[in-house]
Amino acid sequence: EVQLLESGGALVQPGGSLRLSCAASGFTISSYAVYWVRQAPGKGLEWVSTVSGSGTSTYYADSVEGRFTISRDSSKNTLYLQMSSLGAEDTAIYYCARDRVGSTGQLDYWGQGTLVTVSS
Amino acid sequence: DIQVTQSPSSLSASVGDRVTITCRASQSISSYLNWYQQKPGKAPKLLIYVASSLQSGVPSRFSGSGSGTDFTLTISSLQPEDFATYYCQQSYSTFRVAFGGGTTVQIK
Repeated sequence: EVQLLESGGALVQPGGSLRLSCAASGFTISSYAVYWVRQAPGKGLEWVSTVSGSGTSTYYADSVEGRFTISRDSSKNTLYLQMSSLGAEDTAIYYCARDRVGSTGQLDYWGQGTLVTVSS
Repeated sequence: DIQVTQSPSSLSASVGDRVTITCRASQSISSYLNWYQQKPGKAPKLLIYVASSLQSGVPSRFSGSGSGTDFTLTISSLQPEDFATYYCQQSYSTFRVAFGGGTTVQIK
């Protein structure tokens, strides 16, 4: 059974840093593109970042470019999102999601999400 | 960047109604348009991919159509469990996807 389990969400002060994790099971992350998508309270879905199945390519939304870094550890079958210079606009539930067939942009499995709150 | 715009942002409907939600892309995206359902407190769920293909396990009352810039999600007979928020998403830019603003389907 495919599962994604995010962790690492917390209350962090403006300007701070945080690392989110997404532990995958039931599939090998090195065979699929994996995405981070966030949702601010009461708002819609916003794509944040993607790592390709090969792991050689990474992509970022303009809103996080230069502040966030996506990575993965294939030995642990885990995806990460390192976030820095956090601001109130980064407050959201962060979901990781798997590509349906490797690299289609269709997100068929999602984690339950982890909440990041940026506040002093 | 390719943007997608949904309409309406919300609608009220009754059980048994036929419901239609539209999505427009800022440029032609062929059929690279997907639809998701999200219920409160839950992660989104893939319903339809490449405009009209039904994801495994999704009831046949859900259907999608369109190509180019204009797309439609239709629920043929609304059921109580269908009250939720629906999002379209372009995957023409495979790794730089974008979501519409969402359409909330409420009980009339």
